[in-house]
Amino acid sequence: AQTVTQSQPEMSVQEAETVTLSCTYDTSESDYYLFWYKQPPSRQMILVIRQEAYKQQNATENRFSVNFQKAAKSFSLKISDSQLGDAAMYFCAYRSRGAQGGSEKLVFGKGTKLTVNP
Amino acid sequence: GAVVSQHPSWVICKSGTSVKIECRSLDFQATTMFWYRQFPKQSLMLMATSNEGSKATYEQGVEKDKFLINHASLTLSTLTVTSAHPEDSSFYICSASAVTDTQYFGPGTRLTVL
Repeated sequence: AQTVTQSQPEMSVQEAETVTLSCTYDTSESDYYLFWYKQPPSRQMILVIRQEAYKQQNATENRFSVNFQKAAKSFSLKISDSQLGDAAMYFCAYRSRGAQGGSEKLVFGKGTKLTVNP
Repeated sequence: GAVVSQHPSWVICKSGTSVKIECRSLDFQATTMFWYRQFPKQSLMLMATSNEGSKATYEQGVEKDKFLINHASLTLSTLTVTSAHPEDSSFYICSASAVTDTQYFGPGTRLTVL
């Protein structure tokens, strides 16, 4: 079974600075998806970024980018120019590509609580 | 796009009663919906996966007779907590996906059982 590990229970960053959240995963599959979700105090899960394993190029979304190292099974999230609104729990998640399309379930890490200091 | 709603956002009920939570995909057809439970300061725990028109697939340890899931259409799934007890108090979150790979989440429902 696949597992996702987020080794940093909590992280803090100064506003406007850059922070990197770590995520490693274990799988024997070669084709899969990886995601970062953000859960602010409202508890609404928000998709931050997604990465397809067969794509070597790291995904980026505005201030958010990932460092995807497939051989090392590492998928870290970099947040540049941190803003107060970035404060949230961040969850890393793995999903098999599988044969069932959207029916494949997500495997979540335990999350990293990010605090942004003004 | 890809908006998922949940209703109600917060419900309080008496022990022994049943509560229904609705999950709707507003702007896409969801072939699959997922139901999660989240305890404070913890990650999401998958309870069940439901495909439209089929019986839900429950995760190990989840009582299917207590947590009834119906996915009658491509835009609506419901979770009914039957004979709720205080230990069922939690935050319940649904998500929906189409044939693509991404799950989109609802805003969650806080259930308090007195």
